[in-house]
Parts: sequence; structure tokens; C-alpha cells
Amino acid sequence: NAGVTQTPKFRVLKTGQSMTLLCAQDMNHEYMYWYRQDPGMGLRLIHYSVGEGTTAKGEVPDGYNVSRLKKQNFLLGLESAAPSQTSVYFCASSPSVVIEKLFFGSGTQLSVL
Amino acid sequence: AQSVTQLDSQVPVFEEAPVELRCNYSSSVSVYLFWYVQYPNQGLQLLLKYLSGSTLVKGINGFEAEFNKSQTSFHLRKPSVHISDTAEYFCAVSDGVPNDYKLSFGAGTTVTVRA
Repeated sequence: NAGVTQTPKFRVLKTGQSMTLLCAQDMNHEYMYWYRQDPGMGLRLIHYSVGEGTTAKGEVPDGYNVSRLKKQNFLLGLESAAPSQTSVYFCASSPSVVIEKLFFGSGTQLSVL
Repeated sequence: AQSVTQLDSQVPVFEEAPVELRCNYSSSVSVYLFWYVQYPNQGLQLLLKYLSGSTLVKGINGFEAEFNKSQTSFHLRKPSVHISDTAEYFCAVSDGVPNDYKLSFGAGTTVTVRA
């Protein structure tokens, strides 16, 4: 019972490099989210999706892009990484329009040097 | 959009003592409220939630929270903590319909339980 799986778990980038974080869920959930977690700031919503083929901006979308080509996958891209994007990234999914429970992945620790 | 304030960033507590974590949110017509816990090096897990009904909500691991609409608060309590309760705790709020699918999280409260 995998739930929400994030890859990779750790990554170190140099400023200006690009990368894609993959989130996969096997629960047939409609809603998927990308958050970043920074000390003293809690979790902040980057982008979210309310269904296959849809995406929307969250609280801190600048410097990130997302895609939801398949219902089970939600990709987060950094086109040109900056040190300010050093953070822990969490993917989450939810089954319904009323959030009763978010299911979180175990996180990706990203360092941008 | 909602905002959430967790009034304590760090709470040290001795084993078997009670603990209260405070959470206030900005006012809205209707909200859904949540407490999540994050153990070291793990993702977040739901502790409890308030969607409607009784203002006293019981969750997992002996935690409970009380929704107070007039004070816009949702404080989390446990009467007797264990070492295993050492974790970071996040309060979260969702706007009511139709924006109820987005959560706003507080900055977190780190609870350290000592023997």
C-alpha cells in the first residue's frame, strides 16, 4: 500500500540547474498539492491540481511549474534553481472536494548551492 | 484567504505532564480546522479535524482540540504526554465551500518531551 510516493528523496543542485520532482499516488485521488516547508514558516502551497489536466497557483508559485498529465502523477519543475528554493518539498493528495484528510509523501530535501 | 497563527514555536514538557498548543485563525463565515503532526524525517499525519458538530474533537494518540468560534481558536491538548509525542505540530485551516480544498498551515510548534 504505497500511498503517496515522492522521488527523489534528496537532491543537491547548483544555481541555474533544472530538475523535476515526481509525485505519484495510487489512491485514485482527484486533488494533488505541492508544498514547501521552511523553518519557522510552516508549509506553504506552491501549486495544486483539482483533476487530471488542471493546475493552479498557490501561495508561492514563482520559479516553479507543474503538470498533471496523468491523474496519478503531479510533477513539480524548477527551470532555473536558486538558493532561495532550498527547502523540503512535500506532495499531498486528497480524495474529495471537502478536505477531510490530506495524504502526504515523505518529502524531498533539496539544496541549491 | 485564511491565515493561521500558532502562538508558541517551541514547547518543552516533561513526560506525563499535560500540554496545550495554541492556534488562532483569521475570521471567516465557515472553516474547517485540522491538526497535523510531523515526526522526525517523516511527512505529516492527521491528528484530528473539525468540520462541523461538537466543538470538542478527539483525535488519535489521546489528543483533543476545542473549536471556539467567538475566539477563532482551535487549541490542541493532551492530558499526559509521552516521549513518543516529541514532534512538530501544525494547525491548518481551510476556507469553507467553495474554497475548501486548499489548506493554510501555521508555522508549527515543536514539542519536546523530556523524561
